[in-house]
Amino acid sequence: EPEVTQTPSHQVTQMGQEVILRCVPISNHLYFYWYRQILGQKVEFLVSFYNNEISEKSEIFDDQFSVERPDGSNFTLKIRSTKLEDSAMYFCASKLDRNTGELFFGEGSRLTVL
Amino acid sequence: QQQVKQSPQSLIVQKGGISIINCAYENTAFDYFPWYQQFPGKGPALLIAIRPDVSEKKEGRFTISFNKSAKQFSLHIMDSQPGDSATYFCAARDNYGQNFVFGPGTRLSVLP
Repeated sequence: EPEVTQTPSHQVTQMGQEVILRCVPISNHLYFYWYRQILGQKVEFLVSFYNNEISEKSEIFDDQFSVERPDGSNFTLKIRSTKLEDSAMYFCASKLDRNTGELFFGEGSRLTVL
Repeated sequence: QQQVKQSPQSLIVQKGGISIINCAYENTAFDYFPWYQQFPGKGPALLIAIRPDVSEKKEGRFTISFNKSAKQFSLHIMDSQPGDSATYFCAARDNYGQNFVFGPGTRLSVLP
């Protein structure tokens, strides 16, 4: 069964460092998302991406964040200068098309900022 | 207006009992209402979903009830099993932006 894959599964970084989280969405999906979940809390929307551009972003997704689809398969989330409060589980998700409702999530990347 | 409210925050049910989780929303642009199940250390996985043109959808032991006029929907888990112990999130999709908004989650524990 096709799945969304994310790397790394866990990354520990120092405050102020840049982090790149990588995702490979399901191959024929057109919509891509990043969500964040601070331990034990709700799943928070960060950004959605369609047709090689950001469709929507939340207040969390400030200038420190960026997304990119550098090739036909990868979808990356970059945090330019990490803060302690960026520590969370980051989930990538993808969706087939506009009419499809189902969102497929990856297993997540746990980011720990020290 | 983008918020989805969910209750209860946690729920303890005996094996074989019925688990009921409730959600409410305000945004009338929401057009798809999924429920996700999340086990510790895993990503959310779609459990069941409903569109606003129906009032109920059943898949096995899982049923969504949807009340469009009240802007409320709920998940019923019949014959709850210890393996159902997980965190459940309701969500809603904004048809315009294709964004999904999640409720805060309900931690369900089913006692053997």
